[in-house]
Amino acid sequence: KNEVEQSPQNLTAQEGEFITINCSYSVGISALHWLQQHPGGGIVSLFMLSSGKKKHGRLIATINIQEKHSSLHITASHPRDSAVYICAVRSRGAGSYQLTFGKGTKLSVIP
Amino acid sequence: NAGVTQTPKFQVLKTGQSMTLQCAQDMNHNSMYWYRQDPGMGLRLIYYSASEGTTDKGEVPNGYNVSRLNKREFSLRLESAAPSQTSVYFCASSEALVTSYEQYFGPGTRLTVT
Repeated sequence: KNEVEQSPQNLTAQEGEFITINCSYSVGISALHWLQQHPGGGIVSLFMLSSGKKKHGRLIATINIQEKHSSLHITASHPRDSAVYICAVRSRGAGSYQLTFGKGTKLSVIP
Repeated sequence: NAGVTQTPKFQVLKTGQSMTLQCAQDMNHNSMYWYRQDPGMGLRLIYYSASEGTTDKGEVPNGYNVSRLNKREFSLRLESAAPSQTSVYFCASSEALVTSYEQYFGPGTRLTVT
């Protein structure tokens, strides 16, 4: 079973700071997802990637397949970015339909 | 589009009671999923349905049953609730089961079993 580790568990930043959240996994994957869980509980998919880098607005996600590592960056952070960010991976192999989720990183952005 | 909807939003059950959590999606997705989220743990897959008429066990299926009623609806049933089933339950859907499709999540059902 793939083990997914996120760091840090908790992160407090001042508004405007550049933020990095890390995700490491133990077994080769076919895809990695970054999700955002709002304080109210709803979960939204931010990115799905299998190689390289993706950008959406102030959010950037990168993945290094050789090192089994992904990062989520937030530029010019804002209080509305306060949420739990979750990394999830789909392992390679036939029948690997399940996602394995990390425990999440709780981000608080202070004005 | 409402996306993925779940009912109820909150529920309190006594040990041994039964209930069904309802989930519906209006995105014409083939695949649907039920997850549970517990404090200090990642989301865990309970059951999934690759397409209408099929269901399969996920990581933590014990104590649950599911029904894929039609393409839109996927319900989760607790036949005899236990305190260990206190959790937040999320339904999700995707176009298909394969890698390249992202999952869309419902708002969640917060269940407490006393």
